[in-house]
Amino acid sequence: GDSVTQMEGPVTLSEEAFLTINCTYTATGYPSLFWYVQYPGEGLQLLLKATKADDKGSNKGFEATYRKETTSFHLEKGSVQVSDSAVYFCALMAGDYNTDKLIFGTGTRLQVFP
Amino acid sequence: DAGITQSPRHKVTETGTPVTLRCHQTENHRYMYWYRQDPGHGLRLIHYSYGVKDTDKGEVSDGYSVSRSKTEDFLLTLESATSSQTSVYFCAIRGGSSYNEQFFGPGTRLTVL
Repeated sequence: GDSVTQMEGPVTLSEEAFLTINCTYTATGYPSLFWYVQYPGEGLQLLLKATKADDKGSNKGFEATYRKETTSFHLEKGSVQVSDSAVYFCALMAGDYNTDKLIFGTGTRLQVFP
Repeated sequence: DAGITQSPRHKVTETGTPVTLRCHQTENHRYMYWYRQDPGHGLRLIHYSYGVKDTDKGEVSDGYSVSRSKTEDFLLTLESATSSQTSVYFCAIRGGSSYNEQFFGPGTRLTVL
């Protein structure tokens, strides 16, 4: 079945460091791919998405490129801030219109220190 | 802000008691979802609805039932709560520019003793 695999955390970085969180997926067909972010005590917020191969999603300095050949959607940011500390979830949506469901990875906690 | 509220936000209950969680949305979205979030599992789909009185099971539906008698409310019921149902429960709606995005409520933390 469809699945998403994320790197285990926590990822610990100093402020202004470069961030990469790896995400790979298994899916039949052509899924849409998403990154969600969850700040402490809150629900999930959509961070960015890509709907077809070679699309690049970007938001708030974060980027991810849909790589069909490597079935990956790695999240990157050039310079992290303390306020980026959160849990990041990679997800895919596959299936036909009425049964589209999000399938999530297990989440990666990012801790950024000043 | 997709106008999603969940109630209660926190609940502690005892094994064997019935529990109902409510998700309320104000923007007439057709699709609604219930997920549970557990460490090491990410979010897993419990049930979803694609219209009033139209619901279907997700990945982890055992022990849960849902009802949707009007567009704005999607109820999740644990008929007889068990400790394994201690979790954080999130409701979501489907929307966005290409209608393939999901927007989440603030969550309900449920503890079953």
